[in-house]
Amino acid sequence: AQKITQTQPGMFVQEKEAVTLDCTYDTSDQSYGLFWYKQPSSGEMIFLIYQGSYDEQNATEGRYSLNFQKARKSANLVISASQLGDSAMYFCAMRDHSNYQLIWGAGTKLIIKP
Amino acid sequence: GAVVSQHPSRVICKSGTSVKIECRSLDFQATTMFWYRQFPKKSLMLMATSNEGSKATYEQGVEKDKFLINHASLTLSTLTVTSAHPEDSSFYICSADVGQIDTQYFGPGTRLTVL
Repeated sequence: AQKITQTQPGMFVQEKEAVTLDCTYDTSDQSYGLFWYKQPSSGEMIFLIYQGSYDEQNATEGRYSLNFQKARKSANLVISASQLGDSAMYFCAMRDHSNYQLIWGAGTKLIIKP
Repeated sequence: GAVVSQHPSRVICKSGTSVKIECRSLDFQATTMFWYRQFPKKSLMLMATSNEGSKATYEQGVEKDKFLINHASLTLSTLTVTSAHPEDSSFYICSADVGQIDTQYFGPGTRLTVL
């Protein structure tokens, strides 16, 4: 069965520091996609970054990068130069080609300290 | 970019009444729409998957008669919470899909409070 594991329920990080949010996944499929979403207190789910299982390079989107280690089945999110506005819940998710459903991790609550 | 709207954003209703939540894809046609429920400080829980013109596929444990889903067009899906009870109070969020593995667009969510 597919599964996403986020082992950090909460994190405190000093402003301007880089932060890594952990995500490991389990699947027997060869073709799948990995996502990171940000959910601020308003509730909206904001798409951050996507990594395809066949992508050879790590995905990057501005201050966000995804450290994809396929053999270890990990897809950690790295946020560089953190900002106060980065404080939010962060969810890692996975989907495969069979049914397009997203499998969600439990989330990590990130708090950026000034 | 693709935009998904949800209406209403917040609703308070009395126990026993029904509440309809709309999910619209504004600038694209969605082959599939998903409905989620989220409890405070928890992850999203998939309730059902709906495809335009066909019956929704409900996840195990989700009452079909309680949570009615209608996907009337490629741009509109509705979730009706029938005979709402306080335990139905939650954050409901929809997402829309264009059939590509790397894309799923979310609505802003609806906070339902049943008194």
